[in-house]
Amino acid sequence: AQKITQTQPGMFVQEKEAVTLDCTYDTSDPSYGLFWYKQPSSGEMIFLIYQGSYDQQNATEGRYSLNFQKARKSANLVISASQLGDSAMYFCAMRDMEYGNKLVFGAGTILRVKS
Amino acid sequence: DAGVIQSPRHEVTEMGQEVTLRCKPISGHDYLFWYRQTMMRGLELLIYFNNNVPIDDSGMPEDRFSAKMPNASFSTLKIQPSEPRDSAVYFCASSSRTGAEETQYFGPGTRLLVL
Repeated sequence: AQKITQTQPGMFVQEKEAVTLDCTYDTSDPSYGLFWYKQPSSGEMIFLIYQGSYDQQNATEGRYSLNFQKARKSANLVISASQLGDSAMYFCAMRDMEYGNKLVFGAGTILRVKS
Repeated sequence: DAGVIQSPRHEVTEMGQEVTLRCKPISGHDYLFWYRQTMMRGLELLIYFNNNVPIDDSGMPEDRFSAKMPNASFSTLKIQPSEPRDSAVYFCASSSRTGAEETQYFGPGTRLLVL
């Protein structure tokens, strides 16, 4: 089974609206970390947000928040008040002890913000 | 603070030639990772170092690929001889074990085209 699954190949959102990008993961390790990265068309990989498996609260970073549902093994990224500059590819990734310090990435979701 | 630095940003070469990609991690980071990104396979970890020592090179595709880290501030990824299927974006990333989340910060990538 895939460790990280992003089921939405692409999404559209209207400017100023909120959007949720889905991510589910698979691990038997109780200690793991979940990450979201943004890759704009220029190609760089930009770290957005982190959620630890033992964190009691959902992570937030500005307009980004992570909807962490541990029992469902989901770690969805919520972007509030979308901006045109949010148009990019978004990757969910996980690190767990089974894989040491490696990050395993999902296939990504392309987000397009419409004006 | 400077982020991860990679050079060159773009490389075009002919099949059979040697290619050397360079990376300078963030100062103080003791983990360094090399990734490859292609449309077909997404983001793949090739190799990673801890304190300049290669820890896991299971992602290196074949003997044509080699990586070194002679000191804490420099790493190279070499392909010899290069083949058209090596065309991809190669990312270097670094992280610090002192951070709770050990977030990996990526360089801008090297876009390699082998003709």
